[in-house]
Amino acid sequence: SQELEQSPQSLIVQEGKNLTINCTSSKTLYGLYWYKQKYGEGLIFLMMLQKGGEEKSHEKITAKLDEKKQQSSLHITASQPSHAGIYLCGADMGKENTDKLIFGTGTRLQVFP
Amino acid sequence: GAGVSQSPRYKVAKRGQDVALRCDPISGHVSLFWYQQALGQGPEFLTYFQNEAQLDKSGLPSDRFFAERPEGSVSTLKIQRTQQEDSAVYLCASSLARAGGYVYNEQFFGPGTRLTVL
Repeated sequence: SQELEQSPQSLIVQEGKNLTINCTSSKTLYGLYWYKQKYGEGLIFLMMLQKGGEEKSHEKITAKLDEKKQQSSLHITASQPSHAGIYLCGADMGKENTDKLIFGTGTRLQVFP
Repeated sequence: GAGVSQSPRYKVAKRGQDVALRCDPISGHVSLFWYQQALGQGPEFLTYFQNEAQLDKSGLPSDRFFAERPEGSVSTLKIQRTQQEDSAVYLCASSLARAGGYVYNEQFFGPGTRLTVL
C-alpha cells in the first residue's frame, strides 16, 4: 500500500550507532503500530502510539508520533546486532467496521560488529 | 504455547491446486485478521472476522480466496486453483476485541504460512 511511506528502505549501521526510521502518511492516523519481523517469522509488537505528540520508549527503542498524527519515527540508540531485522509501521486509518492495519513496506536493518 | 499458531508453516502447491491454511488465534480473542505478505513488502490486509462474522473481506484479491471462522475461534483461509502470483507468506493475527473509539488493541501475529506455487 502507498498510504504509508517508510524510509529508508534499508539501513546498515555499525554496532553502537544510533539510527532513525520514519513512517509518513498523507492522512491522519488513528493508531500507529511499530512491529519488528525476522526472516521466516511473524511480527513482534514493539509499540503503539495513539495521541498527537506521544512518545514511548522501551529499552533502547523510542517511538514518536507527531502532533498532526501523520508521521512517526522509530529511534534506536546504541544499536546492537540483536536489533537487526525488518521494522514495519502499521496504521489504523479509522474505518468504523474494522481494525485492519495498513503497513508500510518495511525497513531492513543490519547491524555489524 | 499461548500465541497465535498457523499451519502448515510451509506449503508447496502445483498451479491449479487448492490449498487450506489454518490459524489458531489466542484463546478468547474476538478479532481475527488475515494478511498477505509478498517478498520484500509489508503485509496487506485480506479479511477480518469478529467472532464468526466476516465483517470485512475487501482485501481478498479474487473469488478464488475464501476464509471462514465457523465457531468464532479457528479460521481457515482457502485458495482455490492456486496461481503463481499467490506465492507469499500468509499471516494471521488476533486481538482481544474490536474496540472502536479511541482505544486500540494490539494485534498478535502468528509465524505465517509460506506458500509457494510452482
